[in-house]
Amino acid sequence: EAGVVQSPRYKIIEKKQPVAFWCNPISGHNTLYWYRQNLGQGPELLIRYENEEAVDDSQLPKDRFSAERLKGVDSTLKIQPAELGDSAVYLCASRDSSTDTQYFGPGTRLTVL
Amino acid sequence: GQNIDQPTEMTATEGAIVQINCTYQTSGFNGLFWYQQHAGEAPTFLSYNVLDGLEEKGRFSSFLSRSKGYSYLLLKELQMKDSASYLCAVSQSKTGRRALTFGSGTRLQVQP
Repeated sequence: EAGVVQSPRYKIIEKKQPVAFWCNPISGHNTLYWYRQNLGQGPELLIRYENEEAVDDSQLPKDRFSAERLKGVDSTLKIQPAELGDSAVYLCASRDSSTDTQYFGPGTRLTVL
Repeated sequence: GQNIDQPTEMTATEGAIVQINCTYQTSGFNGLFWYQQHAGEAPTFLSYNVLDGLEEKGRFSSFLSRSKGYSYLLLKELQMKDSASYLCAVSQSKTGRRALTFGSGTRLQVQP
């Protein structure tokens, strides 16, 4: 069974440029998460989707970040414009509801210059 | 809010046993997870505790005391490949175990 898929794996952009990350969760997982992980820290939740509904986006900086999950499967996270402090690894995860376990994708390492 | 504490770094010797502690303060506790994360890779699930006691899974065991807000991950017969960060994460009942709050992780270095 395929795991959580993310692309791109790496992205380098200049500040003020836009950037987008894509995630395909494990088939059948209704809950999808976007996390941001800074070096030496644990993942921090940005947004959680239940199917296509964003049910927890309290930690998402809404002035520059947006996310969507239009058909309740794939999701896109966008930053516009990017700032230097946005450099981090952006992780997508999906949840197996039968075990409450979250499975993570490989992440996108973003560097903002 | 939630507060999760774990040591920043630990060092142990190949073949030995190491215990990684995690303390937490949260309202509506609903479960504790341990994840392993190798450098540059995604976190992978290790264990889940919701009731007090010890859960054993091969070389790894996890313990929970809800009254003390305390958990530990025990790694036996350490191997070099166990060098990684170990993340403690807590879920709250208000989210029905759908959301996790992670600690900063403990970076374990296994030496020959």
